Amino acid sequence: AQSVAQPEDQVNVAEGNPLTVKCTYSVSGNPYLFWYVQYPNRGLQFLLKYITGDNLVKGSYGFEAEFNKSQTSFHLKKPSALVSDSALYFCAVRARGSTLGRLYFGRGTQLTVWP
Amino acid sequence: NAGVTQTPKFQVLKTGQSMTLQCAQDMNHEYMSWYRQDPGMGLRLIHYSVGAGITDQGEVPNGYNVSRSTTEDFPLRLLSAAPSQTSVYFCASGGRKNTIYFGEGSWLTVV
Repeated sequence: AQSVAQPEDQVNVAEGNPLTVKCTYSVSGNPYLFWYVQYPNRGLQFLLKYITGDNLVKGSYGFEAEFNKSQTSFHLKKPSALVSDSALYFCAVRARGSTLGRLYFGRGTQLTVWP
Repeated sequence: NAGVTQTPKFQVLKTGQSMTLQCAQDMNHEYMSWYRQDPGMGLRLIHYSVGAGITDQGEVPNGYNVSRSTTEDFPLRLLSAAPSQTSVYFCASGGRKNTIYFGEGSWLTVV
């Protein structure tokens, strides 16, 4: 079975500080991993993905994520948070060889960046 | 630059009514799907399709019906709406590059 855990419902950081949004996953074999962001009353926007290769993946808006196979984690990071980064963040996983596009999502982490 | 287009954006239904949420994509993607989003539940897959004429059930298919007559369109039908179907619905599509793109959502309230 495939599953994703986002252990924190909320993350609060001050503007200019680094941020981390945590994600751990469970999947048979090697995974495809994704981060999406959702702003209020909007759809999900793709941020970044890990498919293969370098464990550090860089994405949109200055975000990056580190794939750690031994810890089955894919934490989202940004060196310096902006107030405009405040949004709901979703981690998702798909097992290699599974149905194209069939993603399993975490429950989401609400990120609030205060001025 | 349309991507994935969903209509309507907002809808209020009475219990027992039926309706169709429309979804279209212009990226020639093979894969299309419908998710529902409920507070604290993340996104749950309702139905999906890997190509025209092929559909399959996701995690929460009961009360919903889909068809895929063309590559571009993937409508979601609510057969007899129930208050438990009050939710935000997202259509998504994906191609061979492993990235799924989402529509802007449809807010449905069943009273």
